Amino acid sequence: GDSVTQMEGPVTLSEEAFLTINCTYTATGYPSLFWYVQYPGEGLQLLLKATKADDKGSNKGFEATYRKETTSFHLEKGSVQVSDSAVYFCALVISSGSARQLTFGSGTQLTVLP
Amino acid sequence: DVKVTQSSRYLVKRTGEKVFLECVQDMDHENMFWYRQDPGLGLRLIYFSYDVKMKEKGDIPEGYSVSREKKERFSLILESASTNQTSMYLCASRLLTSGRPSNTGELFFGEGSRLTVL
Repeated sequence: GDSVTQMEGPVTLSEEAFLTINCTYTATGYPSLFWYVQYPGEGLQLLLKATKADDKGSNKGFEATYRKETTSFHLEKGSVQVSDSAVYFCALVISSGSARQLTFGSGTQLTVLP
Repeated sequence: DVKVTQSSRYLVKRTGEKVFLECVQDMDHENMFWYRQDPGLGLRLIYFSYDVKMKEKGDIPEGYSVSREKKERFSLILESASTNQTSMYLCASRLLTSGRPSNTGELFFGEGSRLTVL
């Protein structure tokens, strides 16, 4: 079945450090890939997405590139801020499939220290 | 912007009580979902609904039921709350993806309802 494997946390960085959160997937068909972010006490918000191979999603300084050859969608940011502290979820959707074909990774807790 | 509203951010209930968690979306989405989120377990799907009056069990439906009488509203019901149902509950919605190739199928989430069962 479809699955998403995320880098285990927690991850703790100093402000202005470089961030990478690894995400790899296995899927039948051609998934769309997403990163969601969950700030403390809130629901999940879509951070960025990519719908086909080599697409790059970007938002708020975060980027991720859909790499079909390595089945990866790693999240990166060049200079993190304290306000980026949150839990990050990688997810995939098989768009042509049923509603059940939504798969989330286990989430990675990021803490950024001033 | 899509808005998914969960009726209660925080609830405290007693064991055996019947609990209703309400979710309303304002963008005419066909699909709606209920997840629970627990530390170390990520998001787990409880129930989902393809469309009005349709429902299907997710991965952990035991102890829960749902109601979808109107397209915009999806209710999660705990018939007799137990302490192991203490959790964060997340509602989500999305457009039906089948037949809409331009729709990438992402979910839109509510703010979450944190339920404590004593």
